[in-house]
Amino acid sequence: KAGVTQTPRYLIKTRGQQVTLSCSPISGHRSVSWYQQTPGQGLQFLFEYFSETQRNKGNFPGRFSGRQFSNSRSEMNVSTLELGDSALYLCASSLGLAGVSHFYEQYFGPGTRLTVT
Amino acid sequence: AQSVTQLDSHVSVSEGTPVLLRCNYSSSYSPSLFWYVQHPNKGLQLLLKYTSAATLVKGINGFEAEFKKSETSFHLTKPSAHMSDAAEYFCVVSGDTDKLIFGTGTRLQVFP
Repeated sequence: KAGVTQTPRYLIKTRGQQVTLSCSPISGHRSVSWYQQTPGQGLQFLFEYFSETQRNKGNFPGRFSGRQFSNSRSEMNVSTLELGDSALYLCASSLGLAGVSHFYEQYFGPGTRLTVT
Repeated sequence: AQSVTQLDSHVSVSEGTPVLLRCNYSSSYSPSLFWYVQHPNKGLQLLLKYTSAATLVKGINGFEAEFKKSETSFHLTKPSAHMSDAAEYFCVVSGDTDKLIFGTGTRLQVFP
């Protein structure tokens, strides 16, 4: 079974531009989560989508948005890029929503490394 | 609110010696706890998880962790380190908000 794929793997953008990152989950997985990883802030949760609906959101400004399509593929968009947006963006897919009483293992993709200059 | 603290940013061991990566958590609810590993230029992989069943949890590659409620700890151990264990390890808590809260990571170095 193919793993989680993310495209592109590397991206260089300038301040003020916008960017769209793509994530294809494992076949059959309906939940997709996005994370930002930086040396200073570590791994931070951005949002989670399940059945095309955003189910959970982290503490990021509105410049960060996402969506999920009917085939469970997901995109995240960052508008008006800032230098601080430089990071590794990780996508993870799972069969269901991560929750307190039952946890569906999240499978991570290799990430998209975004550099903002 | 939940939080997780990884007590060591770097741990160095010799191959064949035990590994101990320390993690303390804070949670208002009965937490779910996980350890993930990230090898260079790779995504994260789940090592093991605790979800209120047995307090001693066995994971992949010989790792295990013990949930100690009285100490609010979930330390990761391995009896004998291997060179391939060199990576970054993340302790993670999931609580009432259904979000995964990651620790800051511990970089494990293994010397021959």
